[in-house]
Amino acid sequence: KNEVEQSPQNLTAQEGEFITINCSYSVGISALHWLQQHPGGGIVSLFMLSSGKKKHGRLIATINIQEKHSSLHITASHPRDSAVYICAVANSGGGADGLTFGKGTHLIIQP
Amino acid sequence: GAGVSQSPRYKVAKRGQDVALRCDPISGHVSLFWYQQALGQGPEFLTYFQNEAQLDKSGLPSDRFFAERPEGSVSTLKIQRTQQEDSAVYLCASSERLAGFFDEQYFGPGTRLTVT
Repeated sequence: KNEVEQSPQNLTAQEGEFITINCSYSVGISALHWLQQHPGGGIVSLFMLSSGKKKHGRLIATINIQEKHSSLHITASHPRDSAVYICAVANSGGGADGLTFGKGTHLIIQP
Repeated sequence: GAGVSQSPRYKVAKRGQDVALRCDPISGHVSLFWYQQALGQGPEFLTYFQNEAQLDKSGLPSDRFFAERPEGSVSTLKIQRTQQEDSAVYLCASSERLAGFFDEQYFGPGTRLTVT
């Protein structure tokens, strides 16, 4: 089973700061998802990537397949970015064994 | 269009009671997933449907858990003889295509189950 580790577990920053959240996994994957979960449980998919880099607004996600590592960056952070950010991986080799999730990074952006 | 919806949003059950949790995926989405999220933890995979076929139920924690999607759209997760350790948020997600793990998943708001 893939082991997914995220760091940091908790992060508090000031508005405007550049934020980096890291995700590492133990076994080769076919795709990696970054998800955002707000209080109350709603989960929104931010990115799905299998190589390189993707950008959407102030969010940037990168993945290094060889190093089994991905990062999520937030530029010009804002209090509304406060949420739990979850990394999830889809294992390679086919098979319907679900996504494996990290425990999440709890981000608080203070005004 | 509408996103993934789940009902009820909150459920309190007495230990030993049976519960049924409903998921309405996005219309036309082929793949449907159930996840369990304990407090302070990331979600964990329970089971996966492609249309009406349950292709993987390896994540179901015990035989008290049962899921179905008889017509390939709405799905129900049933938990029999609930135990306190079943208390969690149950998340449903759907994706448009087959092999949904390689496809963006759209999550419902979850059902928070509390077993007393």
